[in-house]
Amino acid sequence: KAGVTQTPRYLIKTRGQQVTLSCSPISGHRSVSWYQQTPGQGLQFLFEYFSETQRNKGNFPGRFSGRQFSNSRSEMNVSTLELGDSALYLCASSLTTGSGDGYTFGSGTRLTVV
Amino acid sequence: SQKIEQNSEALNIQEGKTATLTCNYTNYSPAYLQWYRQDPGRGPVFLLLIRENEKEKRKERLKVTFDTTLKQSLFHITASQPADSATYLCALPGYSSASKIIFGSGTRLSIRP
Repeated sequence: KAGVTQTPRYLIKTRGQQVTLSCSPISGHRSVSWYQQTPGQGLQFLFEYFSETQRNKGNFPGRFSGRQFSNSRSEMNVSTLELGDSALYLCASSLTTGSGDGYTFGSGTRLTVV
Repeated sequence: SQKIEQNSEALNIQEGKTATLTCNYTNYSPAYLQWYRQDPGRGPVFLLLIRENEKEKRKERLKVTFDTTLKQSLFHITASQPADSATYLCALPGYSSASKIIFGSGTRLSIRP
């Protein structure tokens, strides 16, 4: 079956712009989580969606937002980009939420802010 | 707040030996613990889940232990191969919410031929 698809794979944006990243989970998976990965901070939790509802949010400023659609596809948006937002953004899907089901991650979107 | 600690130094192992990675956590008792593998530029890949009532779990050449008294998990790769070289991450459910999975910083493992 198809894995988790993230688009685009690479993105270069200028400071102050905004960006939208997309994630299509594995068919049938209803939980989607987003993570930011940088060399210094590792994997940092951004938010988790289940059945179109945000269940959890990490410690990121309000510039980071997301949503989930009825088909479980999810998008995250970062407004007013800063240089420090340069990172690998990873989306992970799982069948349920909170049960310990292992995540299936996408290959990520590499965002570079210049 | 909860903390997850993995050995931040890279681990270099001779091919054929057993690699042992450590994950320590503090401040609470998670219901389970997960291990992932991550290759450069790729997303992590789920390897194993071990629950609090399980002492040990095996999958092929992988073995995970979970000591809830020591608050520690050990991840073993037996008969290691150069293809096992990667970063290994442990992950726990969040203290405030089980659906918020928190990852350790990972340990980079290198297997030399």
